[in-house]
Amino acid sequence: DTQMTQSPSTLSASVGDRVTITCRASQSISSWLAWYQQKPGKAPKLLIYKASSLQSGVPSRFSGSGSGTEFTLTITSLQPDDFATYYCQQYNRYPWTFGQGTKVEIK
Amino acid sequence: EVQLVESGGGLVQPGRSLRLSCAASGFTFGDYTMSWFRQAPGKGLEWVGFIRTTAYGGTAEFATSVQGRFTISRDESKSIAYLHMNSLKTEDTAVYYCTRIRLYYYGSGTFPPFDYWGQGTLVTVSS
Repeated sequence: DTQMTQSPSTLSASVGDRVTITCRASQSISSWLAWYQQKPGKAPKLLIYKASSLQSGVPSRFSGSGSGTEFTLTITSLQPDDFATYYCQQYNRYPWTFGQGTKVEIK
Repeated sequence: EVQLVESGGGLVQPGRSLRLSCAASGFTFGDYTMSWFRQAPGKGLEWVGFIRTTAYGGTAEFATSVQGRFTISRDESKSIAYLHMNSLKTEDTAVYYCTRIRLYYYGSGTFPPFDYWGQGTLVTVSS
């Protein structure tokens, strides 16, 4: 199975900050990586797919990069609505696996 | 409008069975592989399994943790995917979500994977 490791687990930031979350795969997954935002009691929301493609309707302050085993999600100018938990997921090969999540908290 | 609506969750005793439903609307159900994920209370996301379209045999794949206990079926006439859960364990307690993917087409970039999710249904396995 492909293990996904996210860092950090928790991130404290202020509105307007630039935020970067890292996801590392235990083996190459090419660009088959997705990023999700999840708020308490809600389903995950797709933000980025194929490592860097922005899902329709998602604000352009979200961006993704990377390939192979190293990936990043960047949020430029953090907004109040962005405080949530973020997950990466590989879909290169099943079992599809997720990172453990990064909680973005208000500083 | 694409919608996925899960139902069927509830409280069930260990060892018993439960069937979850995922009712789809707003898209051509037969074109999509349907997948189930789950999230235990306070924990991260875990893939459970998926069922391919009938064009690709309608076969299913499962996570090791549920292999042999869970099955998935689909009713094309009703646009519903089912998750059949047998021999339930306390560690199966979670919110179960369904989602969709064009399994053999997502590489084109035209069909983003897992773009719509249901609201989830809670399964509690406890005596």
